[in-house]
Amino acid sequence: SQQGEEDPQALSIQEGENATMNCSYKTSINNLQWYRQNSGRGLVHLILIRSNEREKHSGRLRVTLDTSKKSSSLLITASRAADTASYFCARGGETSGSRLTFGEGTQLTVNP
Amino acid sequence: ETGVTQSPTHLIKTRGQQVTLRCSSQSGHNTVSWYQQALGQGPQFIFQYYREEENGRGNFPPRFSGLQFPNYSSELNVNALELDDSALYLCASSLGDRYNSPLHFGNGTRLTVT
Repeated sequence: SQQGEEDPQALSIQEGENATMNCSYKTSINNLQWYRQNSGRGLVHLILIRSNEREKHSGRLRVTLDTSKKSSSLLITASRAADTASYFCARGGETSGSRLTFGEGTQLTVNP
Repeated sequence: ETGVTQSPTHLIKTRGQQVTLRCSSQSGHNTVSWYQQALGQGPQFIFQYYREEENGRGNFPPRFSGLQFPNYSSELNVNALELDDSALYLCASSLGDRYNSPLHFGNGTRLTVT
């Protein structure tokens, strides 16, 4: 069963706007990762944030982590139509090595 | 640098049959994980192989089995296929079984069981 929940399930915005996706989890983590998936294809790693980090940036991506609330958020700034995809958070557990537990995903649609 | 490749891309099988899916790891990676992704869901962990040995398994029955070869390529075998096994099967490689190791995914094999 999935150990995380993502919110919203679907998000539709206009090009240029910012997109924020949230992820909550139930058990302790070693790290939290975000992945992107274009329709029916493999997942692409976007960013990894360790449990002792609070914020991380990569290009137009900004990820925050609040371990006290067991939640994370992914912000995509100045979105583009090419950002249309499903976005998943994945929890790396404290005892599971590189095994990841994925959430249900957020389907992001960026309209030109 | 060669990425993760999976074969075949699509497969149709009948309930009760057996299937073998194949994966070539990204060069330099010694860990392979397999995930099952049902339509509209997130990937679910099946198992992981590190240096040819299984070192983690998700909540999947024994009819799901795997192998990792000395060149770190891998196979996923599913026996006695059921309709619910229809899904996208994703292989991912990584360097070591350590924490904080991003996964590199292939494009998956779409399995349909009729």
